[in-house]
Amino acid sequence: ETGVTQTPRHLVMGMTNKKSLKCEQHLGHNAMYWYKQSAKKPLELMFVYSLEERVENNSVPSRFSPECPNSSHLFLHLHTLQPEDSALYLCASSQVLVAGGINEQFFGPGTRLTVL
Amino acid sequence: GQNIDQPTEMTATEGAIVQINCTYQTSGFNGLFWYQQHAGEAPTFLSYNVLDGLEEKGRFSSFLSRSKGYSYLLLKELQMKDSASYLCAVPGGSWGKLQFGAGTQVVVTP
Repeated sequence: ETGVTQTPRHLVMGMTNKKSLKCEQHLGHNAMYWYKQSAKKPLELMFVYSLEERVENNSVPSRFSPECPNSSHLFLHLHTLQPEDSALYLCASSQVLVAGGINEQFFGPGTRLTVL
Repeated sequence: GQNIDQPTEMTATEGAIVQINCTYQTSGFNGLFWYQQHAGEAPTFLSYNVLDGLEEKGRFSSFLSRSKGYSYLLLKELQMKDSASYLCAVPGGSWGKLQFGAGTQVVVTP
């Protein structure tokens, strides 16, 4: 496997279900990100992890719970979601430079989530 | 914060040229990215401009004017496979964060 992978690619769940999205990066990067992408809207940054520590949580509802067990894996645990949470959820990784500057982010293919 | 604006959709014919504009307002500036996203797929990196001027990569070129808060992506010799959404993004603080525009859907017709 190369790059950034995400599973599952598609997920349909009811509002009372609990499910998890998985992301894995094979690039040796030190930062990982979760984004939500809804139709006609900009990518919304949800969470940022750097070196397995959550460094940003952009006012995301608690029904979304991230987990980063190591620098290569990132999960998004979902419970009691709402229909408006239906969207494409994208994971990305990058190499954050301690000295400043910025590198591009590499994205996974996303999980298309539908909440009934 | 940053406000990033780009057109919602553009249509062009095969072999033509299309220019996608992006304007931004930011309190600090550290470059501008362009990504391409085909339907149902991951965004993929196209270009990164940090200095003013035009950078060319094959059929794709990207231009930046920092004083005007303006960038464009130029797609030449359009091919059907260029039909995709093109996302403009600027760095949004620490930890390598990016702030994205809503994307421009380019439709290439025969």
